[in-house]
Amino acid sequence: NAGVTQTPKFQVLKTGQSMTLQCAQDMNHNSMYWYRQDPGMGLRLIYYSASEGTTDKGEVPNGYNVSRLNKREFSLRLESAAPSQTSVYFCASTVQEPDTQYFGPGTRLTVL
Amino acid sequence: KQEVTQIPAALSVPEGENLVLNCSFTDSAIYNLQWFRQDPGKGLTSLLLIQSSQREQTSGRLNASLDKSSGRSTLYIAASQPGDSATYLCAPRGNTGFQKLVFGTGTRLLVSP
Repeated sequence: NAGVTQTPKFQVLKTGQSMTLQCAQDMNHNSMYWYRQDPGMGLRLIYYSASEGTTDKGEVPNGYNVSRLNKREFSLRLESAAPSQTSVYFCASTVQEPDTQYFGPGTRLTVL
Repeated sequence: KQEVTQIPAALSVPEGENLVLNCSFTDSAIYNLQWFRQDPGKGLTSLLLIQSSQREQTSGRLNASLDKSSGRSTLYIAASQPGDSATYLCAPRGNTGFQKLVFGTGTRLLVSP
C-alpha cells in the first residue's frame, strides 16, 4: 500500500516549456487535490476533484489544467511554465470530503 | 475569507519539555480542523482531526483542543523528543458546500537532545 505517489520528485523547466505532474493513490479514495507550497504563504489549493469525472478550481488555478484520468490518478499540467510557478507541488486524497487528507511526498519544480 | 495564524513561527526546546503550539483563525464557521506534521523536504502527515463539536482530540503524546467561538486551537506535545522536530501546520475547513482546507504557515519546532 504505497498511499499517494507523485512523479517526478524534482524538475527544472525553462520559461514557456510544458510539463505534467503525475499523482496516483491506491487507497480507493474518491477526492483528490493539488496544492502548491511557497515560503511564507502556506499551502494553497490549485484544483480539486471531488469524485471521478469532476474537477473544480481552487484558490490559484491560473496557468494550470488538471485531468482526473480515473479514480486513482489526478494529473496537473503546466502548459507554458512561468518563473512564478516555481514551487513545491503536493497531491492529496481523501475517502470523501470532509475526511482526513493524505498527502504525497511532493514535486519540487523550478522554472528558470 | 479565512485567515490562519500560527504562533510562534519557530520554537526551540530541550528534550523532555511539554509545549503548546497555537493556531488562530478568523472565521469560526468551521466543520473541522486538522493538525499536520511536515518533515523537511517531505509531504504532510495528518496528526489529528478535531470536529467542530469536539473540544479535544488525543493521540499518544499529542492533544489538540478547539475553541471554535474564539477561533483558536492548540496542539499540546507532552514530553517532547528530538523526533518531534518538524513543522506543524493547522488547517481549518469551512462548513458550507465544498470548503477547502486553509493552511497556516506553520510552527517550526526543534527539540534538542
